Amino acid sequence: EAGVTQFPSHSVIEKGQTVTLRCDPISGHDNLYWYRRVMGKEIKFLLHFVKESKQDESGMPNNRFLAERTGGTYSTLKVQPAELEDSGVYFCASSQGGLARTQYFGPGTRLLVL
Amino acid sequence: DQQVKQNSPSLSVQEGRISILNCDYTNSMFDYFLWYKKYPAEGPTFLISISSIKDKNEDGRFTVFLNKSAKHLSLHIVPSQPGDSAVYFCAASGLGYSTLTFGKGTMLLVSP
Repeated sequence: EAGVTQFPSHSVIEKGQTVTLRCDPISGHDNLYWYRRVMGKEIKFLLHFVKESKQDESGMPNNRFLAERTGGTYSTLKVQPAELEDSGVYFCASSQGGLARTQYFGPGTRLLVL
Repeated sequence: DQQVKQNSPSLSVQEGRISILNCDYTNSMFDYFLWYKKYPAEGPTFLISISSIKDKNEDGRFTVFLNKSAKHLSLHIVPSQPGDSAVYFCAASGLGYSTLTFGKGTMLLVSP
């Protein structure tokens, strides 16, 4: 069974540009999460989808971040316009339906904003 | 304010010995705890979990202990192997929620 995949693995952009990250969860997993880790700090929750609906987006930093999960399969996270403080590793995770607690993480997208 | 704390940034252990990684939490609403292992340039990999109704869960060389009164959990690895060298994250979730709150991680180095 394929794990969680993320694309791209790395992205280097200039301040003010737009970047879109993609996550493909494990097949059949209704729950999809986005997390971010800024260098040396803890992994922080951004938002949670249940199928195509946003269940919790309390961790989204500001309105420059837009997440979608059309059709309840893959998800995209767009940062527009990117700022220097957006640099970090963006992880996607998925879990099965209901309140399944164990989440399976993708390899992450390393974003560097110059 | 950090709700999950891993106060040791790093730990060095010799191969074959026991590794003990510690984690403290402040939110009494947390009722499910997980440990993840992370290698460089990879995502966190689920290792072991424990529900608050238990005080111990064991899986092979890995055992997690939970002390609810002290709001403390620990991960024991016995015996430690060089391949265990990685960053270990403690995470927690609250009743009715599945989102995870993570600690900053502890880097474990197991030397031959």
